[in-house]
Amino acid sequence: QKEVEQDPGPLSVPEGAIVSLNCTYSNSAFQYFMWYRQYSRKGPELLMYTYSSGNKEDGRFTAQVDKSSKYISLFIRDSQPSDSATYLCAMTPSGSARQLTFGSGTQLTVLP
Amino acid sequence: DAGVIQSPRHEVTEMGQEVTLRCKPISGHDYLFWYRQTMMRGLELLIYFNNNVPIDDSGMPEDRFSAKMPNASFSTLKIQPSEPRDSAVYFCASSLWAIPSYNEQFFGPGTRLTVL
Repeated sequence: QKEVEQDPGPLSVPEGAIVSLNCTYSNSAFQYFMWYRQYSRKGPELLMYTYSSGNKEDGRFTAQVDKSSKYISLFIRDSQPSDSATYLCAMTPSGSARQLTFGSGTQLTVLP
Repeated sequence: DAGVIQSPRHEVTEMGQEVTLRCKPISGHDYLFWYRQTMMRGLELLIYFNNNVPIDDSGMPEDRFSAKMPNASFSTLKIQPSEPRDSAVYFCASSLWAIPSYNEQFFGPGTRLTVL
């Protein structure tokens, strides 16, 4: 079993829809949780990060962490065609740890 | 800053040939990471360096793979001999250590390797 599981999709939604992307993990030592966005033929770029449990909001994006369930989510409100990309969750035990463990990524397409 | 620079962007080679991938991290960053991305296995960490010293190479698949960082502004990933199963996109990333927050990794555009 992988340490981080992520539904690969693909996920296709109409413009304006609310999108929910999720990851589950097995390592209870993970403390920092990140979402990276990767456009086609580009490198991943950090979208959001959250420390421990709770919610974090940034514009149309909300990241949620539930450590008791070992479950993290990324919500995209009012999705736009420019949000079409692959979204990868990533996590690490602490800020001093350098290794990130990535999910396999969910491919999202927002249709105009 | 130009960001992380990788070269070449595309490489097509034949099985058995030596392949060298190059990376220039963001100036001032003290960590450098090499990743491999495939459809089957996703994004995998191969090796990372701190201040030019290899810290963890447990992700390097086998002895055919080697990585060096001769100075703070340059790193190479070499595959010798290459095999078709090495076909993937190879990413280099760099980060700057800072207490106490999480340290973002900045990725390069990747090198798409095809081994025939």
